[in-house]
Amino acid sequence: QITLKESGPTLVKPTQTLTLTCTLSGVSVTERGVSVGWIRQPPGKALEWLAVVYWDYNKRYSPSLRSRLSVTKDTSKNQVVLTMTNMDPVDTATYFCAHRREGPGQGWFHPWGQGTLVTVSS
Amino acid sequence: DIQMTQSPSSLSASVGDSVTLTCRASEDIRTYVAWFQQKPGGAPKSLIYGASTLHSGVPSKFSGSGSGTDFTLTINSLQPEDFATYFCQQYYVYPFTFGPGTILDFK
Repeated sequence: QITLKESGPTLVKPTQTLTLTCTLSGVSVTERGVSVGWIRQPPGKALEWLAVVYWDYNKRYSPSLRSRLSVTKDTSKNQVVLTMTNMDPVDTATYFCAHRREGPGQGWFHPWGQGTLVTVSS
Repeated sequence: DIQMTQSPSSLSASVGDSVTLTCRASEDIRTYVAWFQQKPGGAPKSLIYGASTLHSGVPSKFSGSGSGTDFTLTINSLQPEDFATYFCQQYYVYPFTFGPGTILDFK
């Protein structure tokens, strides 16, 4: 059974950098075909895809946030780390990580972590 | 970017009803659509991938169809636990995009 859990600060100040960690169990972040995505959801709003990191360290980012995002892996801890710079109150959202598998006809996000609410406020 | 729209934005129904939710993509995405159910304060739960394939453990009361730009999610015999928000998502091309959701609530 694959599970994911997000962790990180619940409150950050404007202009600060946010660092969130996604810890996976039941699958290795180095396993061929495995990728991990980050998705966020402002309160009462829709989901927004942010980034994906692949088993081979390839990465893809949302074009609108590319300049502020970085995603890396810590293979020793089976974790994926998302960094977002220059945080603003509009970045207040629940941040989710989700497992994804590459392959013909594949690519959906499943399962998801429980999410972590990050509030940006001074 | 591919825009995903959903209709209706909200829908009121009763226990026992059947409902059909619609998702439309701005471009052809073949069958690279997933549907999720989300309850307040919870994470999205995967229901369907490939437009019509149910994830393991999802009741057969849920069904999906469509290809190209038009997709539907049908829920039969609504039960109290089915009242939630439903999102569609395309994973055909980057950037992945989600629909704004349909809120299904009690009539």
